[in-house]
Amino acid sequence: AQTVTQSQPEMSVQEAETVTLSCTYDTSESDYYLFWYKQPPSRQMILVIRQEAYKQQNATENRFSVNFQKAAKSFSLKISDSQLGDAAMYFCAYEDGGATNKLIFGTGTLLAVQP
Amino acid sequence: DVKVTQSSRYLVKRTGEKVFLECVQDMDHENMFWYRQDPGLGLRLIYFSYDVKMKEKGDIPEGYSVSREKKERFSLILESASTNQTSMYLCASSSGTGLYNYGYTFGSGTRLTVV
Repeated sequence: AQTVTQSQPEMSVQEAETVTLSCTYDTSESDYYLFWYKQPPSRQMILVIRQEAYKQQNATENRFSVNFQKAAKSFSLKISDSQLGDAAMYFCAYEDGGATNKLIFGTGTLLAVQP
Repeated sequence: DVKVTQSSRYLVKRTGEKVFLECVQDMDHENMFWYRQDPGLGLRLIYFSYDVKMKEKGDIPEGYSVSREKKERFSLILESASTNQTSMYLCASSSGTGLYNYGYTFGSGTRLTVV
């Protein structure tokens, strides 16, 4: 069975600095999709970024980018120029690209942004 | 603005009660999901549905059932609530799978306390 591991329960970053959140996963599939979701204190979970496993190019969305290492099964999220509004719980998630798009989530990393 | 609406933000129920958690989406999405979120455990899939009247068990279906009589509505039912079902419940919807899965839209969550 596929698993997703986030080994950093909590992280802290200074405003305007860069932080990297780690995620590893285990799968025997070759075709899959990876996601980072953000859950602010208001609780509504929102999609941050998406990566297709068949693409070698790392996905980027404004200040958010990923470092996708397929052989190492690693999918880290880099947040540049951190802002106070980036403070949230971040979840890494995996979808195996099959007939149903159920996601498997990691345990989350709580990011604090210090002013 | 697309929405997934969960009927209650907070619920307190007694042990043994039958509990209904309602979720409605207005995006004409085929897929709907129920997750529970617990600290240190991340999000765990309870049930999902990829079509009206269709349902599939997730990773932790015991003690729960679901109903999807209309495309826009997906209900989670706790047949006989127990204290170990105290949790945050998140509903989500999506359209498409694999390459056409652009991520979930989540509701705001229901914090259920069983006393």
